[in-house]
Parts: sequence; C-alpha cells; structure tokens
Amino acid sequence: AQSVTQLGSHVSVSEGALVLLRCNYSSSVPPYLFWYVQYPNQGLQLLLKYTSAATLVKGINGFEAEFKKSETSFHLTKPSAHMSDAAEYFCAVNPWGGSQGNLIFGKGTKLSVKP
Amino acid sequence: DAGVTQSPTHLIKTRGQHVTLRCSPISGHKSVSWYQQVLGQGPQFIFQYYEKEERGRGNFPDRFSARQFPNYSSELNVNALLLGDSALYLCASSSSQSSYEQYFGPGTRLTVT
Repeated sequence: AQSVTQLGSHVSVSEGALVLLRCNYSSSVPPYLFWYVQYPNQGLQLLLKYTSAATLVKGINGFEAEFKKSETSFHLTKPSAHMSDAAEYFCAVNPWGGSQGNLIFGKGTKLSVKP
Repeated sequence: DAGVTQSPTHLIKTRGQHVTLRCSPISGHKSVSWYQQVLGQGPQFIFQYYEKEERGRGNFPDRFSARQFPNYSSELNVNALLLGDSALYLCASSSSQSSYEQYFGPGTRLTVT
C-alpha cells in the first residue's frame, strides 16, 4: 500500500541553522511528491513538488527537496532557518501516476526555531 | 483571484446531529477534494468530485457524503455525528480530475460535543 513516513514529529533548530525534515514514501508507480506547510489555524500551502523532472526541486521561501529513488526519500532542506519558518510541514504523495488527484499525507513534522 | 474559500470557519455540534460544510474552488477549477485532519495527524482523503461526479472516495463510513454543484462548488455532509468526527475539514481544488497540484482552503474546524 502506498504510504508516507515522516521521521520525527518535532524538530527544533536554532535560527540560522540547517533545516532537514525527512520523508520516505512507498509507491508502486513513479510518484508525484509534495511538501506542504501549515501555519497555526490555517490551511495547507504548497512549498514544492516533484513531478518526474529534475530530482532537485526548489520551492518557495528558500526550501528545496531532493528525490532519491534508490532511498525512496524526498527530504526537505533549507540552509538557514528563519523564525518565520516555524510551522508544521507535511510530505504527501500522489501514487496514482497522474490518473487521480488525491494525495496521501504523512503525519507531519512540527518545526520549532529558537532565537 | 480569490483562493479556495470554505464556510463556516468554525462549527460546534452535538453528537447525533448533522452538519454541512461548504467549499468554493478557485475560479476555473473543476475538481474539488475533501480531507479530514484530526489534531496531530496529516490530512486524510475523503472524496474527490469532478464535473459533479464522485471520482474517488477514501476509507470513510457512509455517514459522510458530498456533492458538487454546476458552479463547481461543493458540500460535505456528515450525519449522526460522533465525537471522533471533530477535526479540521479541508477542501482542495484543482484544475482537472487528474491534476496533482491541489490548492487548499483554510478549512472548517468542527467540534462535536
């Protein structure tokens, strides 16, 4: 069955430090992969997406993610954390090969940024 | 352009009651999907509607139903509410049935007491 696993429900970094949020997926077909961010009491905002083009994907707010098929991973990184990055981050997969639009989400990782 | 809009923002219901949640997609988008996000969890897919027809359904009981109108707006209905239905209900729109780029609304926070 298709699934998404996010390692670490809570990650804490200092302002200016590297952000690394981990995501592993399982899919029987080449997947489309996404990272969304959710601020308190808000909906989800798309950060970036992988759709079988370049394996290194750049998104908004300085985030990027690398698709590694051999590791079935799609980890999210940002070189230097900012206080405004504090939020919950969700990795999601569309495992349907483009035939359907619905997404399967991980449980989320809450990012805290210390001054 | 306006994004995805949902109403109401918050709702408090009693066990056994019925609730209707509403969603208006981005102009030009014909597909609407509904997700349930329980506190501390990621969103779970409930339904996808495209061109007024159900095109996908997640693992939810028959108490959950939805429909899409000619203007592509959508309603999610939940009957016989249970405490476990308390969640943030998210609506997402996309341009087509197979479009994987989904745009989410702010959600409706449902509390069942």
